[in-house]
Amino acid sequence: EVQLVESGGGLVKPGGSLRLSCAASGFTFSDAWMSWVRQAPGKGLEWVGRIKSKTEDETTDYAAPVRGRFTISRDGSKKTLYLQMNSLKTEDTGVYYCTKVGYHYETSGFFGGYFDYWGQGAVVTVSS
Amino acid sequence: DIQMTQSPSSLSASVGDRVTITCRASQGISNYLAWYQQKPGKVPKLLIYAASTLQSGVPSRFSGSGSGTDFTLTISSLQPEDVATYYCQNYNSAPWTFGQGTKVEIK
Repeated sequence: EVQLVESGGGLVKPGGSLRLSCAASGFTFSDAWMSWVRQAPGKGLEWVGRIKSKTEDETTDYAAPVRGRFTISRDGSKKTLYLQMNSLKTEDTGVYYCTKVGYHYETSGFFGGYFDYWGQGAVVTVSS
Repeated sequence: DIQMTQSPSSLSASVGDRVTITCRASQGISNYLAWYQQKPGKVPKLLIYAASTLQSGVPSRFSGSGSGTDFTLTISSLQPEDVATYYCQNYNSAPWTFGQGTKVEIK
């Protein structure tokens, strides 16, 4: 059974930093692309960023609002995904979900980018 | 960035009704579209990927169609447990983007 368990959420002042962790189990973590998705209170879903597998050099991509402030990384030996958040703003407040990226077969090979498993979410509050 | 626009933003329908939600991409995304269901206070759940492939365990009353820029999610017979907000998501290329959501209620 796939499980994703986030930790590290909390209250932080504007300009501060926070690191979220996501412990993964039930699948081959090293082969999976992983992603973070967030949701501000009462709002919709927003993609934060993605990290590819180790064999794909753990390449990362980020949404524009967090690029340069947030960093996604992974530790294969611990089967853990991280989200380092720096220079936090009040608009970063919300629930942060760790997700596993799913893929499907096509004639040209594999193609992925949807979120087939989600963690329970970590609450991040940025407020003075 | 590719913008995803859902319509309507909310709807109210009776149990047993056929419900259709539309998602339009600002440019062509082939069939790289997913649909999610988020019940109140719960974690989002994947319903459909590749525009029309039902995720394992999802009831067959849910279906998806479309390609290019126009996509639909259909609930063939609305059930009380389908009360939720539904989101489409483009994964043609990063940045991956979501629609704004469609809230479905029971009349």
